[in-house]
Amino acid sequence: EPEVTQTPSHQVTQMGQEVILRCVPISNHLYFYWYRQILGQKVEFLVSFYNNEISEKSEIFDDQFSVERPDGSNFTLKIRSTKLEDSAMYFCASMGPDSNQPQHFGDGTRLSIL
Amino acid sequence: AQKITQTQPGMFVQEKEAVTLDCTYDTSDPSYGLFWYKQPSSGEMIFLIYQGSYDQQNATEGRYSLNFQKARKSANLVISASQLGDSAMYFCAMREGPSGYALNFGKGTSLLVTP
Repeated sequence: EPEVTQTPSHQVTQMGQEVILRCVPISNHLYFYWYRQILGQKVEFLVSFYNNEISEKSEIFDDQFSVERPDGSNFTLKIRSTKLEDSAMYFCASMGPDSNQPQHFGDGTRLSIL
Repeated sequence: AQKITQTQPGMFVQEKEAVTLDCTYDTSDPSYGLFWYKQPSSGEMIFLIYQGSYDQQNATEGRYSLNFQKARKSANLVISASQLGDSAMYFCAMREGPSGYALNFGKGTSLLVTP
């Protein structure tokens, strides 16, 4: 069964450094998402991407964050200057073209900011 | 205000018994979808079941069923014949509006299945 793939599984970065989290969504999917989950808390929406542009974003997704779909298969989340509070599990999700389909999640990238 | 409320932070159930995990939601949008995801201790998010606001029948997927009570705005997950492998966090989520919109998650219920 096709799945969403995220790399790396764990990223450790110094505060202030840039980090790029990578995702390969399911190939025929059209909607792409990033969510984060701070340890012990609920999953929070960051941004959605459709038709090569951001379709929706939360207040968490400020100017420090950006997303890209550089080559038609990868979907990346960049954090420009990481802060301690960016430490979390980051999930990529994708969804197919038909309505009422679930979002399929990757296994996540655990980001640790030191 | 919370869009999704899961009032049970933790639940215990004995193996082979059924368990109900509660979820209530808040929306004024007539078109919405309700989802349940399972998160084992390894951290991944596994889709379990979906219920659309216009669906007439309650959704079922194997041992999972969704008790959808629209007037009460509740979408409880029922797991029948619990197995040890069902021990995990369970999240209820809602999508308001058309299908491409983001999911809004509840805080989750931790389920422990005991032998």
